[in-house]
Amino acid sequence: DSGVTQTPKHLITATGQRVTLRCSPRSGDLSVYWYQQSLDQGLQFLIQYYNGEERAKGNILERFSAQQFPDLHSELNLSSLELGDSALYFCASSVGGLGYEDTQYFGPGTRLTVL
Amino acid sequence: AQTVTQSQPEMSVQEAETVTLSCTYDTSESDYYLFWYKQPPSRQMILVIRQEAYKQQNATENRFSVNFQKAAKSFSLKISDSQLGDAAMYFCAYETFVQGAQKLVFGQGTRLTINP
Repeated sequence: DSGVTQTPKHLITATGQRVTLRCSPRSGDLSVYWYQQSLDQGLQFLIQYYNGEERAKGNILERFSAQQFPDLHSELNLSSLELGDSALYFCASSVGGLGYEDTQYFGPGTRLTVL
Repeated sequence: AQTVTQSQPEMSVQEAETVTLSCTYDTSESDYYLFWYKQPPSRQMILVIRQEAYKQQNATENRFSVNFQKAAKSFSLKISDSQLGDAAMYFCAYETFVQGAQKLVFGQGTRLTINP
């Protein structure tokens, strides 16, 4: 158990809908990262937050948005869902803000199925 | 842009034998970090080992060790005394840190099968 929690574990929804994925980082970690794992694109970085502020952005679609709250949990919002958004969405966390790289620990993931 | 390549989509090894998974990467940076993550059937991403590019000494974690060749931009993972529980997808990843911005770039993965 990495200490990173994600809810829900599974999500099934229809095209055009909106969903919210939730992540709680390890105790003491200030950075949260979101990754998407799909069959055709592999594992891709979406976005990083550090202590409530966006720090880095990857291949995140405009239909997707994220935020990190004062209690440090993070939410990834996916809207106008398409079949191709079906994937495993991972959250990771690290201490962050150390002035150097630190290791990211991953949550168990949320499997999103868009029908 | 940084890229990571794992040229072996699948590998298999007999239990108790040694296997090496290959990874190459492309970058123009001098300071970076490399990782191997394991993803078993549960789909959890588990950190196996980490290597700092400025360290010449190869990282080791119990039965897992790496062969880091910075000039060749190669980062292979050696698993000794393979066990059934080692069966998983293995991902090589490259990470940069620029002004607090971090991200992992992953290879496509190698599926490792352990034959009893």
